[in-house]
Amino acid sequence: NAGVTQTPKFQVLKTGQSMTLQCAQDMNHNSMYWYRQDPGMGLRLIYYSASEGTTDKGEVPNGYNVSRLNKREFSLRLESAAPSQTSVYFCASSEYRDYGYTFGSGTRLTVV
Amino acid sequence: AQTVTQSQPEMSVQEAETVTLSCTYDTSESDYYLFWYKQPPSRQMILVIRQEAYKQQNATENRFSVNFQKAAKSFSLKISDSQLGDAAMYFCAYRSAEYNNNDMRFGAGTRLTVKP
Repeated sequence: NAGVTQTPKFQVLKTGQSMTLQCAQDMNHNSMYWYRQDPGMGLRLIYYSASEGTTDKGEVPNGYNVSRLNKREFSLRLESAAPSQTSVYFCASSEYRDYGYTFGSGTRLTVV
Repeated sequence: AQTVTQSQPEMSVQEAETVTLSCTYDTSESDYYLFWYKQPPSRQMILVIRQEAYKQQNATENRFSVNFQKAAKSFSLKISDSQLGDAAMYFCAYRSAEYNNNDMRFGAGTRLTVKP
């Protein structure tokens, strides 16, 4: 099925550990995004990639890095996880500004 | 920066009845897009309906319709003939039409409960 695939779906990390969240889309979209979702705060943009080869910071980029590996793949890396990064992470992609996003199914990350 | 406000953290509706979820936004732009997303317990974000700001006609999708009041910066979602499957978190979102603005802003969400 066409869409956005995120891995893993669940992850528990210890403080200070690192990990990479993977995201791939097969809709040939140019733009990809990483959001985090926290209770009572909706979704907030971490980083985005408007097109292959470019990445830019969003509203809450501190503690994260991203890589746009190719047109399909956009990964999010936590270099030294902190409890404040406990959240649900969503990857999304889009092609046309008025069509909204297509979201992945999310990753629930817990940092202990 | 644009902000999106959903003033109702929780709402409930009786099955088959109608419910309206509120959303207001703050922007100085004249051209933009508005969306409602549904997030069921599965966590998947599903696009429910979208509205272009330059269109005066309110968008409708089956049982879902919006009341878009551009001057008041209001974008409410009406769900008619509510069904048990409508129970979910609903997020209102704003996206600028400016080429260099790639951020979609979300409200904090409204949790909708449907009572049988």
